[in-house]
Amino acid sequence: NAGVTQTPKFQVLKTGQSMTLQCAQDMNHEYMSWYRQDPGMGLRLIHYSVGAGITDQGEVPNGYNVSRSTTEDFPLRLLSAAPSQTSVYFCASSDLGHEQYFGPGTRLTVT
Amino acid sequence: KQEVTQIPAALSVPEGENLVLNCSFTDSAIYNLQWFRQDPGKGLTSLLLIQSSQREQTSGRLNASLDKSSGRSTLYIAASQPGDSATYLCAVRPANQAGTALIFGKGTTLSVSS
Repeated sequence: NAGVTQTPKFQVLKTGQSMTLQCAQDMNHEYMSWYRQDPGMGLRLIHYSVGAGITDQGEVPNGYNVSRSTTEDFPLRLLSAAPSQTSVYFCASSDLGHEQYFGPGTRLTVT
Repeated sequence: KQEVTQIPAALSVPEGENLVLNCSFTDSAIYNLQWFRQDPGKGLTSLLLIQSSQREQTSGRLNASLDKSSGRSTLYIAASQPGDSATYLCAVRPANQAGTALIFGKGTTLSVSS
């Protein structure tokens, strides 16, 4: 099993550009989440999904969109990048009541 | 609102010492608690998961305990090694949510010197 995979590993965007961070898991987990990690702030939940076709907002959803068309994939879209979205983004998956598994992260810089 | 606190923020010890990392949470209504390790510039590696009905979990030199009623968990590392140097994160899964969201502490950065 590859576990949770994320692409790209690094990305530099200009203010106003849009992009999609990709996340995939091969463990048939129902639950998937996106977090961002910032110095001094810890990890904060952006959006999550409890199954294909079902998504909901987390603590810091503004500026991000998600969709879940398959069990395996959970992409995160930045609509119009801003310098405040410079961060490290982690995708995670789990079954209810079990361990959450995290991807290796995407390091995003917005200039 | 659930809040998770980890103390100390940083810890330096010589190799071979036994040590304890602390995690506290404000709402005892949790589904489970998970300890992670994060190396600089890397992702999160799950160390131990404790369900709300359990008191402790062990894996090798690591032992995690949970006292749900007092809102506390500890991670005990026996015979520390330089390879244990990393940031350790504690996270709780609230019982009243859909089950996917973890709430994280800000971590304890451990440095073990040889």
